[in-house]
Amino acid sequence: QQQVKQSPQSLIVQKGGISIINCAYENTAFDYFPWYQQFPGKGPALLIAIRPDVSEKKEGRFTISFNKSAKQFSLHIMDSQPGDSATYFCAAVNRGSTLGRLYFGRGTQLTVWP
Amino acid sequence: DAGVTQSPTHLIKTRGQQVTLRCSPKSGHDTVSWYQQALGQGPQFIFQYYEEEERQRGNFPDRFSGHQFPNYSSELNVNALLLGDSALYLCASSPDRVRYNEQFFGPGTRLTVL
Repeated sequence: QQQVKQSPQSLIVQKGGISIINCAYENTAFDYFPWYQQFPGKGPALLIAIRPDVSEKKEGRFTISFNKSAKQFSLHIMDSQPGDSATYFCAAVNRGSTLGRLYFGRGTQLTVWP
Repeated sequence: DAGVTQSPTHLIKTRGQQVTLRCSPKSGHDTVSWYQQALGQGPQFIFQYYEEEERQRGNFPDRFSGHQFPNYSSELNVNALLLGDSALYLCASSPDRVRYNEQFFGPGTRLTVL
C-alpha cells in the first residue's frame, strides 16, 4: 500500500520553464513533508521540507505548496535548469510516533533540456 | 566530514546466497536506518537501529536482519537471496533519536541477484 502517491512519473521541461510535481497522502498523522533530490549514483538529498501548518514554503527557485484539507502537496521548480535534471521524491513522516521513518513516493524523473 | 559511507558500491550474488552490506553513519549520528530502492521506485523502509537494537521494522521478511555496533556503524544482512532482492540499498543516519531530525543518506550499495 503506497502511503504517498506521486505524479507524474516523468517530466520533461524546457530550460527556464516551471516544473511541477504533485503528491497526495492519506494518513493524517503525517506531520512533516520533505522533498528529496537524487542524482544517478547518489543517495537522496534533502531539498526542502514543509510542516502542515504552513501553506507554502519557498527556498530559492524551489517552492512547496501544501493543501492540508485536500491532503496534497506539490513541488514547483521555477526557472528550471539542466542541472536540475534528477529524480525527485516526495516523502512524509510522522515525527512523533515513527521517529524518522520516511514514506516515499515512487519518484519523478525530471529532464530539463536546453 | 565524510558523510554517510556504504560498502561495497556494487555486489553481484546468485539466488540462495547470503549478503552483508555495511554502513558508517555521519559523524555525530547515532541512529541508522536502512531502505531498499527497487529500480524506478521510491525507497522503502527496512528497519532502524539505535543503541545497537532494532527499534522499528518495515514490511520485510525475516531474511532481512541487521546489526549496529558500539561505534554506531551498521550492517544489513540478507539471507536466501531472491531475484526480487535486486535493488539499491540505502543507509541513512540521523542524530538524537529522541526527536525527529533530518536523515542523511549514503550513496547506496547496488545489489544484483542472478
